Amino acid sequence: AQRVTQPEKLLSVFKGAPVELKCNYSYSGSPELFWYVQYSRQRLQLLLRHISRESIKGFTADLNKGETSFHLKKPFAQEEDSAMYYCALRGTGGYQKVTFGTGTKLQVIP
Amino acid sequence: DAGVTQSPTHLIKTRGQQVTLRCSPISGHKSVSWYQQVLGQGPQFIFQYYEKEERGRGNFPDRFSARQFPNYSSELNVNALLLGDSALYLCASSLGSGVAYEQYFGPGTRLTVT
Repeated sequence: AQRVTQPEKLLSVFKGAPVELKCNYSYSGSPELFWYVQYSRQRLQLLLRHISRESIKGFTADLNKGETSFHLKKPFAQEEDSAMYYCALRGTGGYQKVTFGTGTKLQVIP
Repeated sequence: DAGVTQSPTHLIKTRGQQVTLRCSPISGHKSVSWYQQVLGQGPQFIFQYYEKEERGRGNFPDRFSARQFPNYSSELNVNALLLGDSALYLCASSLGSGVAYEQYFGPGTRLTVT
């Protein structure tokens, strides 16, 4: 079974402060991990995926297989980062079943 | 391109009724997936279709069914509606079926069962 856990429902930080959104996963194999973001009144969209190792909008995430974590980080929060963030996992199997966490709402306080 | 489109935007049904939700993928995309998002939860995978064939199914009862048409659009059907089926239903499309392909989500259909 595959599972994604996001322990925080809400994370409030001040503008300019560092951000870390936590994500832990459970999967017996080599999963593919993602972060999706949903801004207010917009549709769900891919933020980044671990295989690309890109930094998108200043966010990075490192896959730690030992701790089964994929935390999302940004050194300096911006007001426009306020949104709902979902960590997601896709296992092997050749199709696109994606398991999402329950999401963390990031609120950046000006 | 308008992206993935879904219809209707909202609908209200009564327990026991049947509902059909529709999804049009991005032009050129051949794979469509359906997700259910209950309030306060993340999206939960229901189905994936690729080239008109079911490629994956989540842990949902047989009351849920779907199909994909030759133009790659898709319908999700839910029979014998229960109050617990009230949710946002999301459709996502991608170029292909495999893990390498990014999914693009539609705005969703909000279903309320009374």
